[in-house]
Amino acid sequence: GENVEQHPSTLSVQEGDSAVIKCTYSDSASNYFPWYKQELGKRPQLIIDIRSNVGEKKDQRIAVTLNKTAKHFSLHITETQPEDSAVYFCAARSGGSYIPTFGRGTSLIVHP
Amino acid sequence: DGGITQSPKYLFRKEGQNVTLSCEQNLNHDAMYWYRQDPGQGLRLIYYSQIVNDFQKGDIAEGYSVSREKKESFPLTVTSAQKNPTAFYLCASSGGTGVTGYTFGSGTRLTVV
Repeated sequence: GENVEQHPSTLSVQEGDSAVIKCTYSDSASNYFPWYKQELGKRPQLIIDIRSNVGEKKDQRIAVTLNKTAKHFSLHITETQPEDSAVYFCAARSGGSYIPTFGRGTSLIVHP
Repeated sequence: DGGITQSPKYLFRKEGQNVTLSCEQNLNHDAMYWYRQDPGQGLRLIYYSQIVNDFQKGDIAEGYSVSREKKESFPLTVTSAQKNPTAFYLCASSGGTGVTGYTFGSGTRLTVV
């Protein structure tokens, strides 16, 4: 089955800096890669996703890049703000399954 | 509340007791899922259901049971066989084939007392 590794587990940045979270996956047939943000005590919410036929996708301060050859994808947050502080999860969905495999999460802390 | 409702928000269970967590969605989604979340372990799949009256075990199904009698509802029972049930439980739904992301409920925090 699919295996997703996520790094780092904790990321601390100053307000205004950029933050990058990286994930690798094992199944070359994976074709859908969502990212979720979970604020403390709340539900995870989908913030951006990318499909395997696209290399990069942006939504305001958030971008995701995908390198199919290397089997890794990354979340980029620019001009970080304190409200970006949360746990971020990546996931990969294999083409043979509709159940995504989640990474273990990255706790992002943005210091004012 | 986002189209998927979990209740209760907090639940306390005594040793040897079964408890049932509710999950209801009005998104007309075919697929529903239950995840368990522990600190540092991410999201682990307990059970999932693609259609009514059908469900499959996930990675950590032991000590749990589910039913899917209606499209809108996917309750999870934590049985006394689950030896370490204290965790945050999340229900999710999707359009069915996973081509879109999940919509999550707000979660139930279960504590053994």
